[in-house]
Amino acid sequence: GEDVEQSLFLSVREGDSSVINCTYTDSSSTYLYWYKQEPGAGLQLLTYIFSNMDMKQDQRLTVLLNKKDKHLSLRIADTQTGDSAIYFCAEGPGGGADGLTFGKGTHLIIQP
Amino acid sequence: DAGVTQSPTHLIKTRGQHVTLRCSPISGHKSVSWYQQVLGQGPQFIFQYYEKEERGRGNFPDRFSARQFPNYSSELNVNALLLGDSALYLCASSPVSANTEAFFGQGTRLTVV
Repeated sequence: GEDVEQSLFLSVREGDSSVINCTYTDSSSTYLYWYKQEPGAGLQLLTYIFSNMDMKQDQRLTVLLNKKDKHLSLRIADTQTGDSAIYFCAEGPGGGADGLTFGKGTHLIIQP
Repeated sequence: DAGVTQSPTHLIKTRGQHVTLRCSPISGHKSVSWYQQVLGQGPQFIFQYYEKEERGRGNFPDRFSARQFPNYSSELNVNALLLGDSALYLCASSPVSANTEAFFGQGTRLTVV
């Protein structure tokens, strides 16, 4: 079955770049997503990338996709204290029938 | 524009009881999906509805059911509650049946005692 793997924790200094990595197994994935979850809150869609793209940039966020290795990364430039949250990688077939498959999330910890 | 709204925000139920959770999608969105997020885990897909029809179902027992109304709002029902059903239940809405741009609500925190 499908599986999405992420490291559980990442600690970075304020002002540095954060790179959160994710691997997935379903080669038929059409879209890959990054969501942010702050304590006690729902999921905020940060960005998503279509599987035939290899990069997408949106302000401080850069998504890189290596489809051959089934590896997805999210780079956050100039990391701020407000970026402290859990970041979830998710993959989906695009057709909706199976929903999105999420990783367990990466806790991003910001050091002052 | 209002985002995805879920009610109630918190709920405490006793084992064996029944619960109904409600979701209103973003205006203009016709697809609603339900997810269960157990503490420390990522969300798990339960159901997807589009145009009032079930389009997908995750690996959950028959105690879980859902429906979508003509105004595209949705209810998730769970019967015979177990302690393990304690979780954050998230609703997501999308404009079409595909999962592109799935926007999540704040969730309903269900505690079963």
